[in-house]
Amino acid sequence: DARVTQTPRHKVTEMGQEVTMRCQPILGHNTVFWYRQTMMQGLELLAYFRNRAPLDDSGMPKDRFSAEMPDATLATLKIQPSEPRDSAVYFCASVGLPTYEQYFGPGTRLTVT
Amino acid sequence: DAKTTQPNSMESNEEEPVHLPCNHSTISGTDYIHWYRQLPSQGPEYVIHGLTSNVNNRMASLAIAEDRKSSTLILHRATLRDAAVYYCILSYNQGGKLIFGQGTELSVKP
Repeated sequence: DARVTQTPRHKVTEMGQEVTMRCQPILGHNTVFWYRQTMMQGLELLAYFRNRAPLDDSGMPKDRFSAEMPDATLATLKIQPSEPRDSAVYFCASVGLPTYEQYFGPGTRLTVT
Repeated sequence: DAKTTQPNSMESNEEEPVHLPCNHSTISGTDYIHWYRQLPSQGPEYVIHGLTSNVNNRMASLAIAEDRKSSTLILHRATLRDAAVYYCILSYNQGGKLIFGQGTELSVKP
């Protein structure tokens, strides 16, 4: 049963620290999405990649967030420096043909104090 | 991005059918209608999607109005495990980005 995996599952850090979240998409999936979920804003699309190339990162605060896909099996989302308002659950999702379903990972719950 | 409107919450009884409505009056001809749900403390999961014709799968049915300005997700026999937030989303292509709204929180009573 293929799944998207995310690490870490939980992260507590202090304001100003760097945070890196990792996502392993389902093998063979060529499109990867990063979402953020908070009670106030709901689920927001931050960025997404197709064939490792960034397609849209307009939802991401550019000054502190960066997203990359160093290879087809790893996507990273980095926050530097982190702030309390970044506290949220961050989800990664992947899609691959022939289906059009986005498969979501379990999320990384980030708390910035 | 075209917008969808869903009721904030709905209640259902276990083992009864549930009809979850979604209005999307500004839908364009190339927009697909997707439904995802999010169980408590989990990531969203795909339910069903369609373009013009009604669709059925093992989880649910999707009924699309003839003018495509609304759709209904049908759970044929609700179970307690179906309690979740259900999102109706328009996307201009399959496998493309999804813009989530607030969704409908479905509660299922035993």
